[in-house]
Amino acid sequence: KAGVTQTPRYLIKTRGQQVTLSCSPISGHRSVSWYQQTPGQGLQFLFEYFSETQRNKGNFPGRFSGRQFSNSRSEMNVSTLELGDSALYLCASSPWGGRREGTDTQYFGPGTRLTVL
Amino acid sequence: GNSVTQMEGPVTLSEEAFLTINCTYTATGYPSLFWYVQYPGEGLQLLLKATKADDKGSNKGFEATYRKETTSFHLEKGSVQVSDSAVYFCALSAPTGTASKLTFGTGTRLQVTL
Repeated sequence: KAGVTQTPRYLIKTRGQQVTLSCSPISGHRSVSWYQQTPGQGLQFLFEYFSETQRNKGNFPGRFSGRQFSNSRSEMNVSTLELGDSALYLCASSPWGGRREGTDTQYFGPGTRLTVL
Repeated sequence: GNSVTQMEGPVTLSEEAFLTINCTYTATGYPSLFWYVQYPGEGLQLLLKATKADDKGSNKGFEATYRKETTSFHLEKGSVQVSDSAVYFCALSAPTGTASKLTFGTGTRLQVTL
């Protein structure tokens, strides 16, 4: 099976702009989670989508949002970009997101490196 | 809430040395435990996992045992190679039935020299 794919791999934006990142999960996986990785804060959970609904959300402002489509592909949007949003954004998929026993292992994509100038 | 504590890095070892990276956790219930590895410029790769107490996860010569009594999941490898140089993350997942969320440690950078 193909792994998790993320596009684009690199993005450069300026403050105030908005950005959309895309994630295609492993075929058959229904849960998609997003994480932000920065040198200062490490890996932080943004949100999880399952069956097109956001099921869990981390401690991030409302500028961070997402959605999931019927084919389980997911997008993440950040509006009104700030310098501090520069980070590696990682997407991960799992079969059922832990909703069935033994299905909580998450597989990560290569990430999208976002630089905000 | 859930938390994971990893030993601070960087860890510098000579090739063929023994590796231990300590990881302890705090969680309610019975979480699943994971080790992920990140190579420069890449995403996270699952290295190994364990889903219940006394389980041993293993892969590519790396091992870790789920110790509930000490709430630990230390990563070990008997003989490291230069190609093992990377950042290693210990993580836990909330118990089955809740939304999928990984809680990560801060990561430990391993550098292996010839």
